[in-house]
Amino acid sequence: LAKTTQPISMDSYEGQEVNITCSHNNIATNDYITWYQQFPSQGPRFIIQGYKTKVTNEVASLFIPADRKSSTLSLPRVSLSDTAVYYCLVRGNNAGNMLTFGGGTRLMVKP
Amino acid sequence: GAVVSQHPSWVICKSGTSVKIECRSLDFQATTMFWYRQFPKQSLMLMATSNEGSKATYEQGVEKDKFLINHASLTLSTLTVTSAHPEDSSFYICSARIAGVVNEQFFGPGTRLTVL
Repeated sequence: LAKTTQPISMDSYEGQEVNITCSHNNIATNDYITWYQQFPSQGPRFIIQGYKTKVTNEVASLFIPADRKSSTLSLPRVSLSDTAVYYCLVRGNNAGNMLTFGGGTRLMVKP
Repeated sequence: GAVVSQHPSWVICKSGTSVKIECRSLDFQATTMFWYRQFPKQSLMLMATSNEGSKATYEQGVEKDKFLINHASLTLSTLTVTSAHPEDSSFYICSARIAGVVNEQFFGPGTRLTVL
């Protein structure tokens, strides 16, 4: 299983763009990159998933360079409610692959 | 769509008793469900993988006789913490994978277990 490395914590202010980078040097050819958000005392919530280049949805963008050894989650114009822990995971596309959570990044959005 | 529920959302029990936590996929069938445990300020740790109609697969270090998992139907998996002790106090989260769709897992809201 590819191991991921993320910053432990980040601070930001309302209205700013936040970029959280995740390293996954040992990512395999069939691995996807998935990001989850978790609020205190709640289950994780799927944010975005990608394989290469750029993926965008209504919540965030995910940038993946050509070598796929890292990825960056971009949250545009964060608000106080975006304060949460963000997890980067890599996993294969097979039925037997489970999710392995790393330490996550604790994002604090300040007013 | 793709909602997963857990019951109860929180439970307090005495040491030595057993506690059952239910995980349900409300609007889809889940051939595979996963159980995680999360201690305060820590990440989620996978405990076991539960497949409908078969025995669960436990991660290394997780006692299968203490954490009994039953996945009797495509919409329900249960985790029973037997003879609970204070060190079992934690946040237990389940997730479910839609049958035939391997890329997405949907998480339940979690169950807070406190053992006195």
